Formats: sequence, structure tokens, C-alpha cells
Amino acid sequence: QVQLVESGGGLVRPGGSLRLSCAASGFTFSDYYMGWIRQAPGKGLEWVAYISTAGGTEHYGDSVKGRFIITRDNAENSLYLQMNSLRADDTAVYYCARDLTAVVAAGYFDNWGQGTLVTVSS
Amino acid sequence: EIVMTQSPATVSVSPGERVTLSCRASQSVSTNLAWYQQRPGQTPRLLIYGASIGATGVPARFRGSGSGTEFTLTISSLQPEDFAVYYCQQYNGWPPALTFGGGTKVEI
Repeated sequence: QVQLVESGGGLVRPGGSLRLSCAASGFTFSDYYMGWIRQAPGKGLEWVAYISTAGGTEHYGDSVKGRFIITRDNAENSLYLQMNSLRADDTAVYYCARDLTAVVAAGYFDNWGQGTLVTVSS
Repeated sequence: EIVMTQSPATVSVSPGERVTLSCRASQSVSTNLAWYQQRPGQTPRLLIYGASIGATGVPARFRGSGSGTEFTLTISSLQPEDFAVYYCQQYNGWPPALTFGGGTKVEI
């Protein structure tokens, strides 16, 4: 059974940094592209970042480009999101999600974690 | 950036009725489109991908159609558990760029 468990959320001041983690189990983690998607309170979904199976290629949404970094550790079955220069509008629940198909990026997410809340406020 | 526009924002229907949700892309995305369902307090669930392919375990009453810039999700005979928010999402191949629509709330 696929399981994705996020951690690392919390309250941070504007301009601060935070690192999110996602522990994956129940599938061959290294075979799948992975992504981060966020949802501001009461709002819709926004794609944040996407990483290839080996971690050699990352892509970012325009609103986080240059501030956030997605990485992965296939030996530890873990996905990460380093968030720098945080702003109030980064406040959201951050979901870790698995791509639909193994090896080749499908661009859709069929398994999601429960999310971790990041609040940026002074 | 490809912008995804969903309509209506909210639709009110009764159990057993049929509802059609729309999603429009600002430029062609071919059939690189998915639909997700998000029930209150839950995480999103993939319903449809490739514009018309049902994800594993999704009931047949959910049907996706369309290509290019115009897409629809039809739910025939709404069940109580179908009252939720529905999002469309496009995937623009390379470099990857993914965008979600603003969502349509299906309410009783």
C-alpha cells in the first residue's frame, strides 16, 4: 500500500526558511517522479515542484522559482522541499504526491500524502 | 503559462441528477488533462487522466471528454459522496509545467 507522510511544517517568519520532508513506502520510490503541490487555506491547488526519478531534473512553478528547491534521497525513500525567502502567500498545506506511472513522467498524481501546514507570519 | 479556467465555480444539484463540469485551457494541451476530486477535509483523488481515462477504482459514472482547449467531466446519477470540489489539471510536457484550474464545487 502506497504511503506518503509529510513532516516539517510549522510557523515561520517572513523571509525565513523551512525544510519539508516526505517519507515514502509501499512502492519502489526510485522508479517514480515526485511532486509537491500546495493549497492555501480555503483555496485551490497549486503545483509547486516536480523531480525526476534520479533527481537530476527539477521543475518549479513560477511563484516559487529561485526560492524553493526540491530534492530526493532514493536510498532513504524520501522527498524534500527546501523553502527559502518565505512570504505570507506561501502559507498553505503542502502535499507530497507520486506521479501516476513508473519511470516515465505522466504529469498526474495518483497518490497524495495528508499534507503538512506551513504558516508564514510575523 | 497555460491558464486553466473552470466553470461554473459552484453548481447545485440533487442526488441522482447528472452534472457536467467544464475546463478550458488558454492554449492547446492536447489530451494532457486530469480531473481530481477533493471531498471536504480530504486529500485530492485522481479521477481521470489523459482527458478520458478513468483512474483505478473510479466508478464508471465519472466520464471525461475533450481535447485541445475544451474539456468536460460528466458525473451521471450523483451519489451523496460525489459532493465535493473538482479540479482540472494540465500537464505541458517539456519542460514540465503543471497548472490546476480554480475548481468547481458540486453542492447539494
